[in-house]
Amino acid sequence: GNSVTQMEGPVTLSEEAFLTINCTYTATGYPSLFWYVQYPGEGLQLLLKATKADDKGSNKGFEATYRKETTSFHLEKGSVQVSDSAVYFCALRANSGYSTLTFGKGTMLLVSP
Amino acid sequence: DSGVTQTPKHLITATGQRVTLRCSPRSGDLSVYWYQQSLDQGLQFLIQYYNGEERAKGNILERFSAQQFPDLHSELNLSSLELGDSALYFCASSVGGRGTLNEQFFGPGTRLTVL
Repeated sequence: GNSVTQMEGPVTLSEEAFLTINCTYTATGYPSLFWYVQYPGEGLQLLLKATKADDKGSNKGFEATYRKETTSFHLEKGSVQVSDSAVYFCALRANSGYSTLTFGKGTMLLVSP
Repeated sequence: DSGVTQTPKHLITATGQRVTLRCSPRSGDLSVYWYQQSLDQGLQFLIQYYNGEERAKGNILERFSAQQFPDLHSELNLSSLELGDSALYFCASSVGGRGTLNEQFFGPGTRLTVL
């Protein structure tokens, strides 16, 4: 079946530091890949996505590249802000049928001033 | 604000009881999904409805059931509640049920506490 593995948190960084959150997946075929963010007390928001190999998703300074050869979709940001503190979820969705999202366990990011 | 609404925001009940969680999808969305988020299991897909019909089932217990009504709102019914059912329950909606129309927008969640 499909599965997503993300690095465990919390990840603790100082403001303006470089961020990487690792995500690898197992899936049949060629899924779409997503990063969602959950701010404290809120629901999940789509941060970025990529639908095919070598696609790069980007939004709000965050980037992730769909790497089929390493089955990875690592999230990066060059300079984090305190407001980026949240839980980040990597997810995949099969591209056929009435497909649903399979999530990783989430990685908490804490950014201090 | 995603446009997906969920009620109630918080629910506290006792073991053995039954509760109903309600979700209203974004205007125009035909598909509704339910997810359970707990500390030990993470975020797990429960069930999907598309235009009133069940389309996909995940790790949903037999004590749980759901339906989607003609006005497209959905309800998740949880019965014979156990302590382990305490979790955050999210609803999401999408325009379609498959392919590129499947981008899901999440509601704020209902926090269920079973005492």
